[in-house]
Amino acid sequence: GENVGLHLPTLSVQEGDNSIINCAYSNSASDYFIWYKQESGKGPQFIIDIRSNMDKRQGQRVTVLLNKTVKHLSLQIAATQPGDSAVYFCAENRGPGGTSYGKLTFGQGTILTVHP
Amino acid sequence: DTEVTQTPKHLVMGMTNKKSLKCEQHMGHRAMYWYKQKAKKPPELMFVYSYEKLSINESVPSRFSPECPNSSLLNLHLHALQPEDSALYLCASSQEGTSGGRETQYFGPGTRLLVL
Repeated sequence: GENVGLHLPTLSVQEGDNSIINCAYSNSASDYFIWYKQESGKGPQFIIDIRSNMDKRQGQRVTVLLNKTVKHLSLQIAATQPGDSAVYFCAENRGPGGTSYGKLTFGQGTILTVHP
Repeated sequence: DTEVTQTPKHLVMGMTNKKSLKCEQHMGHRAMYWYKQKAKKPPELMFVYSYEKLSINESVPSRFSPECPNSSLLNLHLHALQPEDSALYLCASSQEGTSGGRETQYFGPGTRLLVL
């Protein structure tokens, strides 16, 4: 079936460490993935996205890796800071082809806690 | 500017009340979305509007009635809600595109609704 999910529900790291958050998907036709960060009391904030024609994409302190062979993607945060503490969601955008809108399906989320 | 605004921030209503949630964006986006998020769960899609027309209704009960008066505004009218409808209601928008819906969705901060 179609599913986007996360391996670990919680991740606790020390400030300055690198963090890795994982996500698995089951639909081999999935071709667009997004990572969102949601802080307490706020809406999801776009972090980075990746399309299936790429294996890796880098942003500021974040890198997303996509392994289509095992249907897995990960979010790496370098030099994690206390301000990175939040829930991180991977999401799959399954907008119908030819339309101008998307249809996001979120994974269950990983709680990242960064200790000073 | 990637801001989506939502009002009110908090809402408490009785099961016989009628209330409305409002969402606004001035990014020129032509797709707007309503999501529902229960505590410790990922957001779930409710409705999608594309060019002010309802494109997706994810089998949402009729006590939730969306409205898109113009390209910048999205409302969610609430009537005869149940306590289990208490949740964070998120609005999002995305620009029109030709990638089959693979444009980034930007979220507002949400309205936290409590139904008594």
